[in-house]
Amino acid sequence: SQTIHQWPATLVQPVGSPLSLECTVEGTSNPNLYWYRQAAGRGLQLLFYSVGIGQISSEVPQNLSASRPQDRQFILSSKKLLLSDSGFYLCAWSRTGTATIYGYTFGSGTRLTVV
Amino acid sequence: GQQVMQIPQYQHVQEGEDFTTYCNSSTTLSNIQWYKQRPGGHPVFLIQLVKSGEVKKQKRLTFQFGEAKKNSSLHITATQTTDVGTYFCAGRVGTNAGKSTFGDGTTLTVKP
Repeated sequence: SQTIHQWPATLVQPVGSPLSLECTVEGTSNPNLYWYRQAAGRGLQLLFYSVGIGQISSEVPQNLSASRPQDRQFILSSKKLLLSDSGFYLCAWSRTGTATIYGYTFGSGTRLTVV
Repeated sequence: GQQVMQIPQYQHVQEGEDFTTYCNSSTTLSNIQWYKQRPGGHPVFLIQLVKSGEVKKQKRLTFQFGEAKKNSSLHITATQTTDVGTYFCAGRVGTNAGKSTFGDGTTLTVKP
C-alpha cells in the first residue's frame, strides 16, 4: 500500500532562518507531488506541484522553492523565512494521470511558526 | 483566476440534525472533490464528482454536482459527533494535474 511521510510535525524557526521540509512517498512510482499551505481557518493554497524528477511548477510567487531530487521525494525550502510563512504545510501525492479519480492523499503536515 | 466559494464558514448543529455545505465556482469545473479534515489533522479524500447532475452517497453523506458543473453540495443526514471537522471542496478546471482550487471549508461542530 502507498504511504506518505512528512516531517517534522512541528517547527518553530526565527525570522531570516532557512527552511527545509521533506516529504517521501512509498509504494508507488512516478507520483504527482504537491506542496500546499493552509493558513489558520482557511483552505489550502497550492504552492508547488511536480509531475516528475526535476519538474517543478510554482503557483504562487514567494520566497519558497521546491525540489524533487528523486522520484518519490519532494522538498520545500526557503533561504530566509518571513513571519508570513507561518502556517500548516501539507505534502500530497496523486497517481499520474489519474488524479481526477483518486484525489490527493495528504501527509500529516508540518506546523511552522516563524517567530 | 478561478475562485471556489464555500458556505457557510461555520455550522453548529445538535446531534441528529442535518447539515449541508455548499460550494460555488466562478468557472465550469471538470470535476469536484470533497475532503474532510478532523481538528488537528490533515485533509482526507472523501469523493469525486465528474458528471453534470451527479449524485453520490456514502452512508449518511450525499454529494451533488450541479447541472452546470459550477456548484456542488455535501449533505449529512442525522449528524453524529464523529462528523465534526472541516469539509472542503476542491474544484478542477481541465485536466491539469495541479489545478484543483480549494474552498475555505465549512467547519462543523456537533453538540451531543
